[in-house]
Amino acid sequence: SQTIHQWPATLVQPVGSPLSLECTVEGTSNPNLYWYRQAAGRGLQLLFYSVGIGQISSEVPQNLSASRPQDRQFILSSKKLLLSDSGFYLCAWSVDSRGNQPQHFGDGTRLSIL
Amino acid sequence: SQKIEQNSEALNIQEGKTATLTCNYTNYSPAYLQWYRQDPGRGPVFLLLIRENEKEKRKERLKVTFDTTLKQSLFHITASQPADSATYLCALDEGGTYKYIFGTGTRLKVLA
Repeated sequence: SQTIHQWPATLVQPVGSPLSLECTVEGTSNPNLYWYRQAAGRGLQLLFYSVGIGQISSEVPQNLSASRPQDRQFILSSKKLLLSDSGFYLCAWSVDSRGNQPQHFGDGTRLSIL
Repeated sequence: SQKIEQNSEALNIQEGKTATLTCNYTNYSPAYLQWYRQDPGRGPVFLLLIRENEKEKRKERLKVTFDTTLKQSLFHITASQPADSATYLCALDEGGTYKYIFGTGTRLKVLA
């Protein structure tokens, strides 16, 4: 069966520090991969998605970036965090599809910026 | 652009009753509409998917309807239980792309 792992579960970082969040998927190949951010009481905001190794689509201009160095690995990074980067970050995967397949989410990373 | 509206107010119902949650969208009718459950501090979990040519979909105590004329989906939980308490999110495909749009969710609380 397929599983998705996200780490760390919680992270407290000072303003201006770098960030690296990692997500890996097991049990499937060539998945679509997604990074979302969820602010308190808000919906899921799509940040990046990838349909293949090295292929990254950015949805929101910001100081975050994403990379997909391997088929089942998705990394969210920042060189300098802002206070506004606080939030709940979720990684998800789906079978290669255009909306007709469910998304499977990790348990998220709670990021607090001080 | 497409927007999804879900009732942001919490819904409180008594155990055993049917809970009905609403998802309205504003623009084009999506080819697919999905419902997810999210517990506090956890990622959303997929529940049901309904296609635009389907009027209704069922899974155990869950039922989803899809009315493209009203631009609305209803999500029903029959014989609700306290364990059904969670936030329920509606999601749409974005025009045949690889992207999904999520609503803000409705928090359901089932009272024992």
